[in-house]
Amino acid sequence: AQSVSQHNHHVILSEAASLELGCNYSYGGTVNLFWYVQYPGQHLQLLLKYFSGDPLVKGIKGFEAEFIKSKFSFNLRKPSVQWSDTAEYFCAVSAGGGADGLTFGKGTHLIIQP
Amino acid sequence: DAGVIQSPRHEVTEMGQEVTLRCKPISGHNSLFWYRQTMMRGLELLIYFNNNVPIDDSGMPEDRFSAKMPNASFSTLKIQPSEPRDSAVYFCASRLNGLEQYFGPGTRLTVT
Repeated sequence: AQSVSQHNHHVILSEAASLELGCNYSYGGTVNLFWYVQYPGQHLQLLLKYFSGDPLVKGIKGFEAEFIKSKFSFNLRKPSVQWSDTAEYFCAVSAGGGADGLTFGKGTHLIIQP
Repeated sequence: DAGVIQSPRHEVTEMGQEVTLRCKPISGHNSLFWYRQTMMRGLELLIYFNNNVPIDDSGMPEDRFSAKMPNASFSTLKIQPSEPRDSAVYFCASRLNGLEQYFGPGTRLTVT
């Protein structure tokens, strides 16, 4: 079974700061990797995904993530955050082939101070 | 596209009552998932269906929980009898052929 670990439960940054949220997964086979965002009071939205190919993936709203297979990591980055990025961020994994449901990390609550 | 539709958006019920949550997936999607979100346990997969057939229900917490998908455009998650520890946000998601999942707005369930 897969598991996902997000190291930072709460992160507070000032606007224009750079962001990196850590995500490590545990699974022996091929994986699909995702980052979802949940804005206050809203449902989960997909930020970006990795299925195969270029390990550096770009998503919406200026976010990107890098899949490092040797480290079982899929960290999320953004060079300059905005106040509107305040939200809960979830890393998730599914088995390659997409046959399974998603296993989520516990989430990181990001607060951007103006 | 209307996206994944869930109803009700909020449900408050008393312990022991039956609760039914409803989900309409995105038209054409062939997989449907039910998740539960709590502060303590985060987001957990309860059950998922492929082509209306339940594939994995190992995440369903107890026999009090049951889910059905009578056709490609409708699914229900039922809790009978409900307990206070069932209070959570329940999300439905749908997917087409192994691609990313699209989530509904969730149902916030409070059992008193």
